[in-house]
Amino acid sequence: GNSVTQMEGPVTLSEEAFLTINCTYTATGYPSLFWYVQYPGEGLQLLLKATKADDKGSNKGFEATYRKETTSFHLEKGSVQVSDSAVYFCALSENTGNQFYFGTGTSLTVIP
Amino acid sequence: DTAVSQTPKYLVTQMGNDKSIKCEQNLGHDTMYWYKQDSKKFLKIMFSYNNKELIINETVPNRFSPKSPDKAHLNLHINSLELGDSAVYFCASSRGLDGETQYFGPGTRLLVL
Repeated sequence: GNSVTQMEGPVTLSEEAFLTINCTYTATGYPSLFWYVQYPGEGLQLLLKATKADDKGSNKGFEATYRKETTSFHLEKGSVQVSDSAVYFCALSENTGNQFYFGTGTSLTVIP
Repeated sequence: DTAVSQTPKYLVTQMGNDKSIKCEQNLGHDTMYWYKQDSKKFLKIMFSYNNKELIINETVPNRFSPKSPDKAHLNLHINSLELGDSAVYFCASSRGLDGETQYFGPGTRLLVL
């Protein structure tokens, strides 16, 4: 079956620190991979995505590379800001169906 | 200009009551979803509709009934509310099937007393 395993939080970093949130997946086919972000009190919004192996998604300084050999899609940012404090969700969607599989979410707090 | 909107934003009600949450999307998408997010932020899909037809119906009590009057709307009706129904409910939509990006509404925070 399909599943997503995410690094457990919460994660607390100082401003300008380097961020990595690990995500690995299990899929029966060739999924698309996503990172969503949920700011306090809001709905989820797409942060970045990658649709095939070796693709790199990037947005707002965040990056993630679709690694088929390690079934991973780790989220990274070189220098976090206080405004990056949020919950981050890794997700996959098989390209033969419309169901999303979300990870459990990782809460990030960035302190000044 | 909100892409996916939900009403109400907050809902506080007594156990045993019946309530509805409405969702509308103006993106022209064919597929809509309902998710439940618990207090630990875990997201669980409840239902998915494509072109007004039910596609996914996860293990959800039959007190929960989705209704899609047209492609732009997917409402969620809950009968005989229980304490455990307290959560944040998110509506989402996507252009279609096959790995499309989902767009989420702002959520409805339901508290059952």
